[in-house]
Amino acid sequence: DIQMTQSPSSLSASVGDRIIITCRASQSISSSLNWYQQKPGKAPNLLIYAAFSLQSGVPSRFSGGGSGTDFTLTISSLQPEDFATYYCQQSYRVPGTFGQGTKVEVK
Amino acid sequence: EVQLVESGGGLVQPGGSLRLSCAASGFTFSGHWMSWLRQAPGKGLEWVANIKEDGSEKYYVDSVKGRFTISRDNAKNSLYLQMNSLRAEDTALYYCVRVGLTGTTWDFWGQGTLVTVSS
Repeated sequence: DIQMTQSPSSLSASVGDRIIITCRASQSISSSLNWYQQKPGKAPNLLIYAAFSLQSGVPSRFSGGGSGTDFTLTISSLQPEDFATYYCQQSYRVPGTFGQGTKVEVK
Repeated sequence: EVQLVESGGGLVQPGGSLRLSCAASGFTFSGHWMSWLRQAPGKGLEWVANIKEDGSEKYYVDSVKGRFTISRDNAKNSLYLQMNSLRAEDTALYYCVRVGLTGTTWDFWGQGTLVTVSS
């Protein structure tokens, strides 16, 4: 299975901050990388697919980048509703494996 | 509006069985692959099983092969997961999830049904 590693595991930030979460794959996955947001007690929500394409309805302050083995999720100006856990997921090969998650907390 | 509503979770003893159901609405159910994913308490996300639009292809994570069976009834817009020989490590919130039309995303998730395996 392809292993996905996110960093950091958690971060503290303030409203208005720009934050970057990174995701590394154990082998090249081209651009087959998705990002999900999960709020406490809720199901995950697809944010970005194919590394940089924004899912319909997702605010433009979210952006994705990267290819091969290294990827990023950037939130340009953190909003109160963005405090959540973020997961990357590779869709290059079955099974579609997830990173361990990055929890974004209030500083 | 896309809706996925799971049911059937509960407390079961090790070695027991449960059948999860998912009622889908708001989209053409027969036009999508569907998946079950799970999340153990306080842990990350894990894919469990996939089923093709017409049910002709099914795939499972190694840890549930031979114990779990995914199925669907397109006439009833329903997805199922039959879980046998349950183990403590199967304890999790089980999500019914729609696979996007590109086949590479999980684009709509239900709210989940909790399965607890304990004596």
